[in-house]
Amino acid sequence: EIVLTQTPLSSPVTLGQPASISCRSSQSLVNSDGNTYLSWLQQRPGQPPRLLIYKISHRFSGVPDRFNGSGAGTDFTLKISRVEAEDVAVYYCMQATRLPLSFGGGTKVEIK
Amino acid sequence: QVQLVESGGSVVQPGRSVRLSCVGSGFTFNNYAMHWVRQAPGKGLEWVTLISYDGSNKHYADFVEGRFTISRDNSKNTLYLQMNSLRTDDTAVYYCARGVVSLITPGYWGQGTLVTVSS
Repeated sequence: EIVLTQTPLSSPVTLGQPASISCRSSQSLVNSDGNTYLSWLQQRPGQPPRLLIYKISHRFSGVPDRFNGSGAGTDFTLKISRVEAEDVAVYYCMQATRLPLSFGGGTKVEIK
Repeated sequence: QVQLVESGGSVVQPGRSVRLSCVGSGFTFNNYAMHWVRQAPGKGLEWVTLISYDGSNKHYADFVEGRFTISRDNSKNTLYLQMNSLRTDDTAVYYCARGVVSLITPGYWGQGTLVTVSS
């Protein structure tokens, strides 16, 4: 099973400032088809998860362009260019390269 | 628009069974792989199981240990999760989720249904 480790656990951010979350995988997430199925999800309080980014850097439908994903192999990053109040949430990385699917432990983004 | 609506959550005693349902609308249900993902109270997300678009392939997390069965009825646009021999640590909100385009990456999620296992 692939283990995803997220850092930090919590990220206090000033409104309008950037935030960055790291996700490290226990093994390469490059699939045999050449794609890397690493995604990022956002879960606001009391809400179901919402897909933000898939295949490292593809923004899902309706996701603001202040959310950007990057990385390769085993190291990935989600960056929020300018944090807004509605971005307060827990963010999870997730891999779908190999079954079982697995999630990182989550990073809580909160306003300072 | 894509909608997924789960139902069937309840309070059940350890060792008993429950069946969850998830009705999909706003898309061609039989074109997509479907997942169940759970979240224990105050905890993170945990993948449970996946079924292919036609029901021919199923995959489970190790912790299921043969207790859960995923199935689908494409004529009813409905996904199921039969959960037997429930344990207290199965207490969670259970979400159904649909893949993104041709990928299995869960892109659309329902609101979830709460299963509480308690004596």
